[in-house]
Amino acid sequence: AQKVTQAQTEISVVEKEDVTLDCVYETRDTTYYLFWYKQPPSGELVFLIRRNSFDEQNEISGRYSWNFQKSTSSFNFTITASQVVDSAVYFCALTKGGTYKYIFGTGTRLKVLA
Amino acid sequence: DARVTQTPRHKVTEMGQEVTMRCQPILGHNTVFWYRQTMMQGLELLAYFRNRAPLDDSGMPKDRFSAEMPDATLATLKIQPSEPRDSAVYFCASGLSQGEGAFFGQGTRLTVV
Repeated sequence: AQKVTQAQTEISVVEKEDVTLDCVYETRDTTYYLFWYKQPPSGELVFLIRRNSFDEQNEISGRYSWNFQKSTSSFNFTITASQVVDSAVYFCALTKGGTYKYIFGTGTRLKVLA
Repeated sequence: DARVTQTPRHKVTEMGQEVTMRCQPILGHNTVFWYRQTMMQGLELLAYFRNRAPLDDSGMPKDRFSAEMPDATLATLKIQPSEPRDSAVYFCASGLSQGEGAFFGQGTRLTVV
């Protein structure tokens, strides 16, 4: 069965701190995709990144970085020098190769305090 | 900036009434989904379409829910009759290919009283 676990329900940090959101997944498929989405207070889900199972390169985009490790089935997300605008719920998701069925984690609520 | 548009944004209705939610996917996207978000269940896939054909609606209660794509620019989700347990935020999303990621609308917040 496929599953995504985000063990951190809520994290609070002070502005400018670095923060890492954990995501652990389970799948028996060899081809799959991993995603991170952000849900700000306005409610919509904003696509941040996707990774396929054959690409373990880490990625950096501005203050955001992602660490994909197949050996530990993890796809962690780090925000460097956090800002108040980063406050949101962040979802990690998994899809099976060839399908569009997203399996979402339960989300991590990040609060960045000024 | 291309985006998925959902209407209405908010809907309050009485139990037993029909509810119709509409979605305009991003032009050119060939895959459309409907998700439901609740505090208890999180994000659940209700249905998804590829090239307007339903591929999977196993997550949808068939007795009261129906999803259609009358054309490539419109997807609808209907609930008839609505029940209080249907209260949730319903998201529509569209995408071009499975690995590209899906783009979500702002959601319809449905309250059934």
